[in-house]
Amino acid sequence: DAGITQSPRHKVTETGTPVTLRCHQTENHRYMYWYRQDPGHGLRLIHYSYGVKDTDKGEVSDGYSVSRSKTEDFLLTLESATSSQTSVYFCAAERLGGDGYTFGSGTRLTVV
Amino acid sequence: EDKVVQSPLSLVVHEGDTVTLNCSYEVTNFRSLLWYKQEKKAPTFLFMLTSSGIEKKSGRLSSILDKKELFSILNITATQTGDSAVYLCAVEDRDDKIIFGKGTRLHILP
Repeated sequence: DAGITQSPRHKVTETGTPVTLRCHQTENHRYMYWYRQDPGHGLRLIHYSYGVKDTDKGEVSDGYSVSRSKTEDFLLTLESATSSQTSVYFCAAERLGGDGYTFGSGTRLTVV
Repeated sequence: EDKVVQSPLSLVVHEGDTVTLNCSYEVTNFRSLLWYKQEKKAPTFLFMLTSSGIEKKSGRLSSILDKKELFSILNITATQTGDSAVYLCAVEDRDDKIIFGKGTRLHILP
């Protein structure tokens, strides 16, 4: 297991407020990913990181930014939350042995 | 544009039946194809396939990849109610991006 912890597990916030979600891993993995999961869309990649300070955009990156100042932490920030960003957010990191990926338990974000 | 298409979107069968789930893809610079099972929370890893024609097997689940025809299947034999879940297919490219399909929702009736 990649030892992934996401925080918070649940959050309700108001439109226009900034929100930061944290993903913490304990296995020194290089690659980490942020996804959002919505009904009818499956998992969609927001941003990913291939090392400290090395990040790139995924398919739904608008309205989101990320930072990776340490190997173990990958932060997802919504600068000004909108109702369309209500979703479940999953973080993932590469599995030990490089044969797949392990996901965190998810963060359920509601923007009201 | 890279895409992963799963079919069927949902499936209801009786316990003991065998099911086949399909995943087709169009991805530039393919590296691997991944299958996940998602019950209530986070997806859990099932298989990773990189080579064509080599079956991966775990208990009643098996999967195979056809890189020429750009698809994979996931088979579940002698299904049980505990197999009820959403099954996700994902493809990884050589730029380390992973694209997911929308999933197949499988419901096993007792």
